[in-house]
Amino acid sequence: DSGVTQTPKHLITATGQRVTLRCSPRSGDLSVYWYQQSLDQGLQFLIQYYNGEERAKGNILERFSAQQFPDLHSELNLSSLELGDSALYFCASSPLGGSYNEQFFGPGTRLTVL
Amino acid sequence: KNEVEQSPQNLTAQEGEFITINCSYSVGISALHWLQQHPGGGIVSLFMLSSGKKKHGRLIATINIQEKHSSLHITASHPRDSAVYICAVHQGGSEKLVFGKGTKLTVNP
Repeated sequence: DSGVTQTPKHLITATGQRVTLRCSPRSGDLSVYWYQQSLDQGLQFLIQYYNGEERAKGNILERFSAQQFPDLHSELNLSSLELGDSALYFCASSPLGGSYNEQFFGPGTRLTVL
Repeated sequence: KNEVEQSPQNLTAQEGEFITINCSYSVGISALHWLQQHPGGGIVSLFMLSSGKKKHGRLIATINIQEKHSSLHITASHPRDSAVYICAVHQGGSEKLVFGKGTKLTVNP
């Protein structure tokens, strides 16, 4: 158990809908990262927050947005869902920002868009 | 061409064999991660390294910055080592991780 929690574990929804994925980092970790894993693209970095501020942005679609709250939990909002958004979404946390920190991954949320 | 290439894509071994998984990258990096993804989907960080060699139990990771290459070795492999092993790099000073496509390892008893 990494100490990172994600809810829900599974989510099934329809095209055009909007969903919110939630991540609670390990106690004391300030950085939260969001990743998408699809069958054809593999793992891709979406976005990183550090202590409430956006720190780095990857291949995140405009239909997707994220935020990190004062209690350091983070939410990833996916809107106008398409079939291709079906994927595993992972969040990870690390104590600080920076590229020399180990990241601890949550169990993931499996999103299925029908 | 992907920035991070792993080989082999698939690997089948007998219990007890010595395993090597390779990772080559084409960009300057500040750190490299080896991750393990279990059949159930969960991801565990195995190593993070920026130079030299690290060892944890039966796992050894090495990196050669000049050659832009890293290897993950598993000694005395066991069926519970069956998983997908993923290499990921931080480009330069970037916080963004770029992932390889993974190596699926199956260890038969």
